[in-house]
Amino acid sequence: GDSVTQMEGPVTLSEEAFLTINCTYTATGYPSLFWYVQYPGEGLQLLLKATKADDKGSNKGFEATYRKETTSFHLEKGSVQVSDSAVYFCALSDSQGGSEKLVFGKGTKLTVNP
Amino acid sequence: EPEVTQTPSHQVTQMGQEVILRCVPISNHLYFYWYRQILGQKVEFLVSFYNNEISEKSEIFDDQFSVERPDGSNFTLKIRSTKLEDSAMYFCASSDDRGSNQPQHFGDGTRLSIL
Repeated sequence: GDSVTQMEGPVTLSEEAFLTINCTYTATGYPSLFWYVQYPGEGLQLLLKATKADDKGSNKGFEATYRKETTSFHLEKGSVQVSDSAVYFCALSDSQGGSEKLVFGKGTKLTVNP
Repeated sequence: EPEVTQTPSHQVTQMGQEVILRCVPISNHLYFYWYRQILGQKVEFLVSFYNNEISEKSEIFDDQFSVERPDGSNFTLKIRSTKLEDSAMYFCASSDDRGSNQPQHFGDGTRLSIL
């Protein structure tokens, strides 16, 4: 079945450092890809999405590019802030067979120190 | 910005008891979902609901579980005869359209602790 694999955390960075969180996927169809973020004590919030190959999703300085050839959707940010400390989840939705469910990775906890 | 709200934020229940988790989806949304996250594990899909019926459910969603939209605003998840392994964070989500590219909007979750 469909699956998402994220790099294991936790990740600890200093403010203004470059961030990469790796995400690869396996899907039978042609999925849409998402990054969700969970700030402490809050629910999952959609950070960005991409629905087809070579699409780049971006939001709040974060970017991820849908790479079909490498089945990847890595999250990047050029300069992280303390306020970016959160858990980041990569997810896919594959409508093959009529399913809209999200399949999540395990999540990567990011801590940014001042 | 409209949001999905879930109550309670934390529920403690004795094993074997029934529990109802409540969700108020975003008002113009038509598609509703429940997910759960056992501590340290992945967020897992439980069930999707549209037009007053289940449209998809996972293997986890067995006869112990049921969902209902009792009125125009609430969406509930009932767990009958809870087990220790039901302890998890339960998330409700909603979306305004179907299709794999439609974002789902999540609530803050209910932490369910079974004693």
